[in-house]
Amino acid sequence: EVQLVESGGGLVQPGGSLRLSCAASGFTFSSYWMSWVRQAPGKGLEWVANIKEDGTAKYYVDSVKGRFTISRDNAKNSLYLQMNSLRAEDTAVYYCAKDFDIWGQGTMVTVSS
Amino acid sequence: QTVVTQEPSLTVSPGGTVTLTCASSTGAVTSGFHPNWFQQKPGQAPKPLIYHTNNKYSWTPARFSGSLLGGKAALTMSGVQPEDEAEYYCLLHYDVGWVFGGGTKLTVL
Repeated sequence: EVQLVESGGGLVQPGGSLRLSCAASGFTFSSYWMSWVRQAPGKGLEWVANIKEDGTAKYYVDSVKGRFTISRDNAKNSLYLQMNSLRAEDTAVYYCAKDFDIWGQGTMVTVSS
Repeated sequence: QTVVTQEPSLTVSPGGTVTLTCASSTGAVTSGFHPNWFQQKPGQAPKPLIYHTNNKYSWTPARFSGSLLGGKAALTMSGVQPEDEAEYYCLLHYDVGWVFGGGTKLTVL
């Protein structure tokens, strides 16, 4: 079964850091672009970042550039999002997605003091 | 800053037809924007419906179709069912990444 499972969300103080993980199974992970997409409570979807199959190209939405880093480990079939200098406006459910055709169920990140 | 605009809300009667549109602040939407469409119901992850303008996934109901219409990407639903009531998002590709539209809340009434 093709599946993505996110983990690593939680409550963090403003200025803090968090690392999200996404475990992939059921497909050849190393053959696909992967993305992170977030959704603030009651708001719409926002594309956050994506990474090329071999990790050599990465793109970010302007609001997270310099603070978030997307990475992948193809040997472990895993996608990551390192989030630093977190702000209240980063509070959201974070989804990982394969080529936008397969999505995880999301992990909640809350930035609050 | 690039903005992708969708109708905030639409209402359709069961069995009716409705078209949702997706416009880019940069100009006309073409196939080069690789328009995608997603359906999202409360508490659920987005469900992909259409990719690359007009391609359906194996799970996409036949009543959903994608196209380009008047410089916008479009999602048309024919023979709308009560279970189609949901939020719908388009997604467009730009040189520096992807941008979602603000979403259309579709009410079936």
